Amino acid sequence: GAVVSQHPSRVICKSGTSVKIECRSLDFQATTMFWYRQFPKQSLMLMATSNEGSKATYEQGVEKDKFLINHASLTLSTLTVTSAHPEDSSFYICSARQSRGPYAGYTFGSGTRLTVV
Amino acid sequence: QQPVQSPQAVILREGEDAVINCSSSKALYSVHWYRQKHGEAPVFLMILLKGGEQKGHEKISASFNEKKQQSSLYLTASQLSYSGTYFCGTYLMGGNEKLTFGTGTRLTIIP
Repeated sequence: GAVVSQHPSRVICKSGTSVKIECRSLDFQATTMFWYRQFPKQSLMLMATSNEGSKATYEQGVEKDKFLINHASLTLSTLTVTSAHPEDSSFYICSARQSRGPYAGYTFGSGTRLTVV
Repeated sequence: QQPVQSPQAVILREGEDAVINCSSSKALYSVHWYRQKHGEAPVFLMILLKGGEQKGHEKISASFNEKKQQSSLYLTASQLSYSGTYFCGTYLMGGNEKLTFGTGTRLTIIP
């Protein structure tokens, strides 16, 4: 089955620094990947849709200059949290699909727990 | 726009049944169901497509009423391993490939 690898699984950084999170589709090509953020005891909220070879599409209220997304190849998307602050501490999860359309499943990475101190 | 799930939380004894509902305010192409354990990524359970479709996965099944824009997940003879938070994910018509997660239902199974 489809596998999505995400790392790091946990990262602690100082306030004001930047953190990069990688999401890889291991056995399939993904022209589109998705980045979610999840706060404790809440649902997953879509941050942005990462498109290979073009700009990401951000959801309303998500700062694109703060959450930089790069999808340089068909198997890799990265999310960089720039100038991180404690309120950015959260669980970040990526997902990808093997095919398009309403009937294809989404495979999720294992998530990254970001703590900003 | 986020689908609303009910109940928010439920506690069951092992062997009891549960129903989790998911309601959307927008027209849907499909509904996906996931289970998430604490600190882990969501795990795919099933997709429901259209037309009152029902599906089953071991003792977990679901239905989708596209006219009412609702889906229900049925867990029968619950096992301890069923504990976790269940999310529906809705794929909207014209939604640009996005999956929008519902508010979540926390299920706790006790011996």
